[in-house]
Amino acid sequence: EAEVAQSPRYKITEKSQAVAFWCDPISGHATLYWYRQILGQGPELLVQFQDESVVDDSQLPKDRFSAERLKGVDSTLKIQPAELGDSAMYLCASSLVDAGNGYTFGSGTRLTVV
Amino acid sequence: EDQVTQSPEALRLQEGESSSLNCSYTVSGLRGLFWYRQDPGKGPEFLFTLYSAGEEKEKERLKATLTKKESFLHITAPKPEDSATYLCAARGSNYKLTFGKGTLLTVNP
Repeated sequence: EAEVAQSPRYKITEKSQAVAFWCDPISGHATLYWYRQILGQGPELLVQFQDESVVDDSQLPKDRFSAERLKGVDSTLKIQPAELGDSAMYLCASSLVDAGNGYTFGSGTRLTVV
Repeated sequence: EDQVTQSPEALRLQEGESSSLNCSYTVSGLRGLFWYRQDPGKGPEFLFTLYSAGEEKEKERLKATLTKKESFLHITAPKPEDSATYLCAARGSNYKLTFGKGTLLTVNP
């Protein structure tokens, strides 16, 4: 069964350092999403890509977060500088355009900022 | 602003004790109501999509139903392996998925 690959699974970083997460969506899925999930909460959308274009980044803290999907396939989410409040699970998901069968999520990256 | 509220926050059942989880939603122009299962430390796993009031979908011991304001996830004769967090999400006319906080289900043997 096709999967969304994410790395690393866990990341511990010090406050003010830079950190990056990588996502490889299911082959053929044009739409890619980055979500942030704080413990005990539902996922919140950070950024949505259609192929290589950003279609929604209204909830992305652009002063410290950036995301790219240069060739319309895999994607990188970066935080610089990291803050204590950024500790969360960062989830990547992908879907076909109509997403009728839902979004397929990766296993996520658990970020701890110390 | 689209909103999704799930209740209860946590539910503890004995094996075989059937129950229901609730998801109330307020979205403009519903384009799908989604149910996911999430195990600890993992990403959400897709269960169902419902599109119109009166629609029902089933998978093993789970059945999801939809009204104009709510969705229910019915769990019949649950087993310990059904223990997980169940997330509800609504997609509105902007095609953005809004999640609830989830219901943590624990099924004791």
